[in-house]
Amino acid sequence: QQQVKQSPQSLIVQKGGISIINCAYENTAFDYFPWYQQFPGKGPALLIAIRPDVSEKKEGRFTISFNKSAKQFSLHIMDSQPGDSATYFCAASINGGSQGNLIFGKGTKLSVKP
Amino acid sequence: SQTIHQWPATLVQPVGSPLSLECTVEGTSNPNLYWYRQAAGRGLQLLFYSVGIGQISSEVPQNLSASRPQDRQFILSSKKLLLSDSGFYLCAWWTQGSRGYTFGSGTRLTVV
Repeated sequence: QQQVKQSPQSLIVQKGGISIINCAYENTAFDYFPWYQQFPGKGPALLIAIRPDVSEKKEGRFTISFNKSAKQFSLHIMDSQPGDSATYFCAASINGGSQGNLIFGKGTKLSVKP
Repeated sequence: SQTIHQWPATLVQPVGSPLSLECTVEGTSNPNLYWYRQAAGRGLQLLFYSVGIGQISSEVPQNLSASRPQDRQFILSSKKLLLSDSGFYLCAWWTQGSRGYTFGSGTRLTVV
C-alpha cells in the first residue's frame, strides 16, 4: 500500500513530441505528489509538485495531471527537447509533504531524439 | 545560501573493507536528513533518515548504519562492505520552503 507504481520504465520520444509518464498509488493518505528529474551522475532535482485539491498544474512545458478518484497522476512534457533526456521519478507523501519521507516510483528513463 | 555537500564523489572499495560517507548541510538548522541508495538502472531506496542529532530511523535492514553527530552532519557507515552494497548513494535534505528534497551530488560506490 505504500508503493507508487510508475510506467513506462523507459520512453523514447522525437523532438517536439509529447512525453507522458504515469504513476499510480493505493494509499489514500498520500496528499503530496512531486516529480523529480535526474541527469546522469547527478542527484535528482525537484521539477514540479501537486496537491490533490487541484487536477492540473502547469509550469512551462511541464504539466502534472491528477485524478484523485483513479489514484493516478501523470507528467506531461510538451514540445520535448533533447535536453529533457533524463530519468524522471514520481513520488508521494503524506501530511502535505511537510515531513519529507517521500515514497518514490522506480523511475522512467526518457530519451528525446533530435 | 543553503547547500548540501556530499563526498567523496567516487569510491572503489574491496569486499570486507569499512565505509564512511559524509554529508553536510549549510545555511539551515535542524534539517531532516536522508540517505538514499540507487542501484544501477533502478529507483531510489530510502536507507535512513534523521530528524535531529542522534536520532536515526532505519528503513531497510542491511549492512549499513548511519549517525548524526552534529546538527548538519549525516554519516553513512559500514564495518564490512558486501558486493551488494555497490550503488549510487545520495544524501538529501528536506527543504520545508519548497516542500522538496535537495539532493547532494552523490557518491558512486563500487565494491570489488
